[in-house]
Amino acid sequence: GQQVMQIPQYQHVQEGEDFTTYCNSSTTLSNIQWYKQRPGGHPVFLIQLVKSGEVKKQKRLTFQFGEAKKNSSLHITATQTTDVGTYFCAGLNYSSASKIIFGSGTRLSIRP
Amino acid sequence: SAVISQKPSRDICQRGTSLTIQCQVDSQVTMMFWYRQQPGQSLTLIATANQGSEATYESGFVIDKFPISRPNLTFSTLTVSNMSPEDSSIYLCSGQRTGGLNTEAFFGQGTRLTVV
Repeated sequence: GQQVMQIPQYQHVQEGEDFTTYCNSSTTLSNIQWYKQRPGGHPVFLIQLVKSGEVKKQKRLTFQFGEAKKNSSLHITATQTTDVGTYFCAGLNYSSASKIIFGSGTRLSIRP
Repeated sequence: SAVISQKPSRDICQRGTSLTIQCQVDSQVTMMFWYRQQPGQSLTLIATANQGSEATYESGFVIDKFPISRPNLTFSTLTVSNMSPEDSSIYLCSGQRTGGLNTEAFFGQGTRLTVV
């Protein structure tokens, strides 16, 4: 079945440093989504990428979708303590009954 | 997006018993799903809750253990049956619309289940 992997599993950075998490799917995706889960919370939708090679920005966050629509990345510039949490990519494939398959996640912690 | 109310938020249950988790969405959604999340882990899809018909289960999950109902487009339940300590986890329901530009999932607050 479809698998979505993320690296790294954990990242501990100094506040102000940049952070990047990478996502790879075993199959071509219809779209890729990113979610953030704060400790003790539930996943919250951040963004959706649909087009091959698409790049979207949300303030300090930059999201990319690979040309082959099998990989993606999230880059955070100048991290802040509010960025703490686990970031999940999630792949959707319309040929798989529109199920969203979540990646393994990257947990970001920040030293103030 | 929509708002999903999930309850209970947490429970401690005796092994061998069953617990039913409910999710109510404040508007109609095309798809509803149930996930399980172990602490510090990713979300594992249990099943797709189909309106008016039997749920579609992922590999490793069966209807006898996790019966699911979805009587209408705004409500679903998941029952964890004959519980064992291995069932201790966080259970999340999600709703999802399809057919439009955005197909994101929105989640209930989760049910933290501890089986003793």
